[in-house]
Amino acid sequence: EVQLVESGGGLVKPGGSLRLSCAASGFTFSNAWMTWVRQAPGKGLEWVGRFKSKTDGGTIEYAAPVKDRFIISRDDSKNTLYLQMNSLKSEDTAVYYCTMGFCTSTSCHWDDALDVWGQGTMVTVSS
Amino acid sequence: QSALTQPPSASGSPGQSVTISCTGTSSDVGAYNYVSWYQQHPGKAPKLMIYEVSKRPSGVPDRFSGSKSGNTASLTVSGLQAEDEADYHCSSYAGSNIMIFGGGTKLTVL
Repeated sequence: EVQLVESGGGLVKPGGSLRLSCAASGFTFSNAWMTWVRQAPGKGLEWVGRFKSKTDGGTIEYAAPVKDRFIISRDDSKNTLYLQMNSLKSEDTAVYYCTMGFCTSTSCHWDDALDVWGQGTMVTVSS
Repeated sequence: QSALTQPPSASGSPGQSVTISCTGTSSDVGAYNYVSWYQQHPGKAPKLMIYEVSKRPSGVPDRFSGSKSGNTASLTVSGLQAEDEADYHCSSYAGSNIMIFGGGTKLTVL
């Protein structure tokens, strides 16, 4: 069974840091482009960033609100994706989801359709 | 990139059809046939319902359909059922390896 399990959420003060982890299982993690999406309380989904598979270049993209503060990394030997969040602000309060696209017999949808989601982990930034 | 625009709410009676819109720009929805729709029940993770504007992943009922015209995409739910009551989010590829979402629409089955 394909599964993504996030951990590491919690309460942190403004200006603080937190690292989220996403443990993957049931598929070849090293081939997957992995994405972080967040959802503030009562709000819509927000794309945070994506890490391409290393075989496809390993490039990382970030949304403007988190660029220069958040760092996405991956350890393919541990089947784990990370999100290092620094200089946290109250507006970063959200449920953070680890997610990924999928491939069909004819094409892959890594950057346009997210088919597998973790259960999410809550991050609260408050003094 | 600004978020896509969705109506905050929509509603319909069981058996009826309801359509939810998702409006972007010529740089995202209008530029690519990469619009997706997600269903999200309270406290749960989103579930992919539509991709590439109108394609359904395996297991999604054919009561769910998608379309696009210009900068606006639409999700239609036909034969509404009680279990369709949920939040629906659209997304679009926006170029430069970036994805953007809409603000979400709460669908109520009356």
